Amino acid sequence: GAVVSQHPSWVICKSGTSVKIECRSLDFQATTMFWYRQFPKQSLMLMATSNEGSKATYEQGVEKDKFLINHASLTLSTLTVTSAHPEDSSFYICSARDQGAGRTDTQYFGPGTRLTVL
Amino acid sequence: DAKTTQPTSMDCAEGRAANLPCNHSTISGNEYVYWYRQIHSQGPQYIIHGLKNNETNEMASLIITEDRKSSTLILPHATLRDTAVYYCIVRPPVFLIQGAQKLVFGQGTRLTINP
Repeated sequence: GAVVSQHPSWVICKSGTSVKIECRSLDFQATTMFWYRQFPKQSLMLMATSNEGSKATYEQGVEKDKFLINHASLTLSTLTVTSAHPEDSSFYICSARDQGAGRTDTQYFGPGTRLTVL
Repeated sequence: DAKTTQPTSMDCAEGRAANLPCNHSTISGNEYVYWYRQIHSQGPQYIIHGLKNNETNEMASLIITEDRKSSTLILPHATLRDTAVYYCIVRPPVFLIQGAQKLVFGQGTRLTINP
């Protein structure tokens, strides 16, 4: 299957700082990428849909000014957690939509980024 | 979107076939059934998907009932590395409904392969 990478795999930061997470589709182009968040022992929750060349679409309850998403190219989307606080500590996972899979589409996921805010 | 129901947990002996059920009784005629799994502290891994016919790939087989109200993911020879949470997701074709590209994850089935 297609490969999606994330960087960094883990990050520890101080409260009040900003953290940027990168998501890359390595062997396919993705006009649409997605950002999820997963708290311990819970399922994945979709935060936002990232569209190349346009504004991201955020799910209800997700602060767009806190979680900045940029999708500047067909292979890269970034999520910036601004003014991070301990409650933002979580596992952040991106996925990329491989439209080359045909009309059924298939999403492939990155390995995740573990964010810990002290 | 159709909802899915999966058992919370299952156990299977190493080397045996693992059969993971999924109920999706409200599935629409054009909705696909997708299976992903998530090994601890990793991102979900795509396994297989199907519409009406049974599907097989190098990882697993997907059996969809004729009425499409349920499906079974089969791992033919389970290994310890197959221990993971398995998610069954139904989703309409992207070209048909705007926003259909989203994947909504339920709680999944925690499959434990025992030696």
